[in-house]
Amino acid sequence: ELVLTQSPGTLSLSPGESATLSCRASQSVSSSYLAWYQQKPGQAPRLLIYGTSSRATDIPDRFSGSGSGTDFTLTISRLEPEDFAVYYCQQYVYPVYTFGQGTKLEIK
Amino acid sequence: QVQLVQSGAEVKKPGASVKVSCKASGYIFTNYYLHWVRQAPGQGLEWVGIIRPSSGIGDAPRFQGRVTMTTDTSTNTAFMELSSLTSEDTAVYFCARERPEGYRFDTWGQGTLVTVSS
Repeated sequence: ELVLTQSPGTLSLSPGESATLSCRASQSVSSSYLAWYQQKPGQAPRLLIYGTSSRATDIPDRFSGSGSGTDFTLTISRLEPEDFAVYYCQQYVYPVYTFGQGTKLEIK
Repeated sequence: QVQLVQSGAEVKKPGASVKVSCKASGYIFTNYYLHWVRQAPGQGLEWVGIIRPSSGIGDAPRFQGRVTMTTDTSTNTAFMELSSLTSEDTAVYFCARERPEGYRFDTWGQGTLVTVSS
């Protein structure tokens, strides 16, 4: 069964800095099926990136995704105050959809 | 606009069942899959299952026999029923939409808190 491991667990940065979040799969996966979500407290997740590197509707270009095989990355440049949240990666391997455990991005 | 609106919070006793609804609007209901995802307090996201409104066929591999997912195309509403509840089922349950073969969830409901407590 596929396991997605996100690192770091918590990332402390200041507004204006850049964030690099990692998602590692326990087996090689299709880059077409890798997505990233942002979740703020008390809210539903929001789709940011799909197909490893495509931005969802209305997502600013400060958010970018990359990777292949087992290693995928979400990069957030020029952090804004509203970017501090929890981020999840998600992958599909038939017949199951799997989420990583999340990375909390907090204000330093 | 595209929207998924879920039913309200529930409190259930261990061993009972709960049924959560998710009403879709703003798009053609049968053209998209619907998923259920849950989140225990302070924890991450856990995928529960998928239902295809066009066929009514659902799949919840990790919850075999405990989860029943249905749809009502006359009201554009999806339902998830979870039986034999334990305290470990206490969570916020979200419905989420997937474009067929999209493999991502582009619209989410607001979530429904299900609390299992004696």
